[in-house]
Amino acid sequence: SQQGEEDPQALSIQEGENATMNCSYKTSINNLQWYRQNSGRGLVHLILIRSNEREKHSGRLRVTLDTSKKSSSLLITASRAADTASYFCATLRDYKLSFGAGTTVTVRA
Amino acid sequence: NAGVMQNPRHLVRRRGQEARLRCSPMKGHSHVYWYRQLPEEGLKFMVYLQKENIIDESGMPKERFSAEFPKEGPSILRIQQVVRGDSAAYFCASSPMARVEDEQYFGPGTRLTVT
Repeated sequence: SQQGEEDPQALSIQEGENATMNCSYKTSINNLQWYRQNSGRGLVHLILIRSNEREKHSGRLRVTLDTSKKSSSLLITASRAADTASYFCATLRDYKLSFGAGTTVTVRA
Repeated sequence: NAGVMQNPRHLVRRRGQEARLRCSPMKGHSHVYWYRQLPEEGLKFMVYLQKENIIDESGMPKERFSAEFPKEGPSILRIQQVVRGDSAAYFCASSPMARVEDEQYFGPGTRLTVT
């Protein structure tokens, strides 16, 4: 069964606004990763947060992890049109990555 | 340092034909993983291989699908007698030998269309 579940399924925002998406999972994990996928393209790794970390930053990205609630959030600040894509969280347990169905983000110019 | 290479990028097969998908991991990586992405869905784990060994094939359909990672050459995902439901994007990832919890680096994927 799918481990990660993203929320919302779709998000439409104005350029310059922040975008926040959430991910919930069911079992213990080694780490949680966020990926971006542009329409019909490959996956781009955005950020990895280990199970003993609570928050991580990378450029305009901020990821939080709450292992007690089994949830994570991805915040994209000051969004740009180029951020339009699908975003997936993936949990790693042992060697298997389990992906959610993704959040489709549309950034309007 | 070249990334994970997959070929072909697009593959069209008629029902009943065989599909062979190739994956060359990043240099120095000896762990290979195959994932399948159906339309409008996330990626699903299929199989995990090390050189000459299948470690976990729990995500592989029981019939028609096989995978190998020989001592020399790329990893191959083989689908025999393809059906329309096999149409999907197939992604390969690799990771370094040291720790399996390390990041998996993904290739660009092979998009299989079965007509």
